[in-house]
Amino acid sequence: DTAVSQTPKYLVTQMGNDKSIKCEQNLGHDTMYWYKQDSKKFLKIMFSYNNKELIINETVPNRFSPKSPDKAHLNLHINSLELGDSAVYFCASSQDSPSGSGANVLTFGAGSRLTVL
Amino acid sequence: GQNIDQPTEMTATEGAIVQINCTYQTSGFNGLFWYQQHAGEAPTFLSYNVLDGLEEKGRFSSFLSRSKGYSYLLLKELQMKDSASYLCAVTYTGFQKLVFGTGTRLLVSP
Repeated sequence: DTAVSQTPKYLVTQMGNDKSIKCEQNLGHDTMYWYKQDSKKFLKIMFSYNNKELIINETVPNRFSPKSPDKAHLNLHINSLELGDSAVYFCASSQDSPSGSGANVLTFGAGSRLTVL
Repeated sequence: GQNIDQPTEMTATEGAIVQINCTYQTSGFNGLFWYQQHAGEAPTFLSYNVLDGLEEKGRFSSFLSRSKGYSYLLLKELQMKDSASYLCAVTYTGFQKLVFGTGTRLLVSP
């Protein structure tokens, strides 16, 4: 199946721990993203990579570090987890970068629900 | 900022028509997307508008007015499965990201 797949789907951990979420896409897309959806369902971009190069880095604490080993993978590592990090994290991909390019449709993964206790 | 505003929640009955509005900042506007998100699932693409006018796709249509910074998503012949959140999202020239509104939660009742 062609898709964006992310693991784990659920993650429950204690404050202060370090955790990672992995994402892979087999769509042949050039751009990958991490979005955070909070309890109010607001979906906000965190990072974007185009062909392994970081192109968007929103005002995200530096405890969050994305890594793209190749254009099909974009992982998210979070250090020293805090209660406010609890959210659903969505990985997504698109054919091109969205700057001035027209219909750049995002395909989302199923989400990873992170709960920090 | 790039404020994207939509109503928080709407209700409608099966078989009816519902219009979900979205307003956005016009400066640098490039294109507007609508996504559907069922509870606990990923957002999925519904439609894209870059020029003024109506784009029709089956029971769903999306309208855009660039000069007014306004779009709407029209859902006809509502079905129970249309109960979901509908996210308006905008791309701006020079900004390499899709900015989402807060979403409109639509509840379709029998």
